[in-house]
Amino acid sequence: EVQLLESGGGLVQPGGSLRLSCAASGFTFSSYSMTWVRQAPGKGLDWVSAMSGSGGSIYYADSVKGRFTISRDNSKNTLFLQMNSLRAEDTAIYYCASCSGGNCRAHPLDDWGQGTLVTVSS
Amino acid sequence: DIQMTQSPSAMSASVGDRVTITCRASQGISNYLAWFQQKPGKVPKRLIYAASSLQSGVPSRFSGSGSGTEFTLTISSLQPEDFATYYCLQHNSYPFTFGPGTTVDI
Repeated sequence: EVQLLESGGGLVQPGGSLRLSCAASGFTFSSYSMTWVRQAPGKGLDWVSAMSGSGGSIYYADSVKGRFTISRDNSKNTLFLQMNSLRAEDTAIYYCASCSGGNCRAHPLDDWGQGTLVTVSS
Repeated sequence: DIQMTQSPSAMSASVGDRVTITCRASQGISNYLAWFQQKPGKVPKRLIYAASSLQSGVPSRFSGSGSGTEFTLTISSLQPEDFATYYCLQHNSYPFTFGPGTTVDI
């Protein structure tokens, strides 16, 4: 059974940084592409970033490009999202989601974690 | 980037109703369209991918169709547990993009 557990959320001031983690289990992590999706309070879903299983392919939404960095440690079955220069509009629940078969285009966002809340406020 | 729109944005329905939600893409995405269901306070759940492929374990009253730029999600007979918000997602090209959502309530 796929299990994804996010951590690292919290309250941060505008302009600050935060690093989210997503611990994965129940599947061959290095074979799966992984994504981050966020949801602002009371709003819709917002795709943020994706990374292939090997880490060789990386994609970002325009809204976070240059500020957020996705990475992974396949030896520890963990996905990361480094968030810098945070803004109030980055306030959201951040979910990690897996793509089975190693390809999010074929198997988009099969399984999701419970999410971690990031609040950007002074 | 590909923009996604959904209609309606919200709707009221009754148990047993046939419900249809439409999703449109700003450019052709072949059949790379997924549907997600989200209940209040819960994690989104994938219902359909590749426009019409039903996720394992999802009831057969859910179905999807379409290709190119126009897609539909149909619930053949609405059940009490189906009251939720539904989102489409284009998974044809990066960056992936979600539609704004359709809330189905009583």
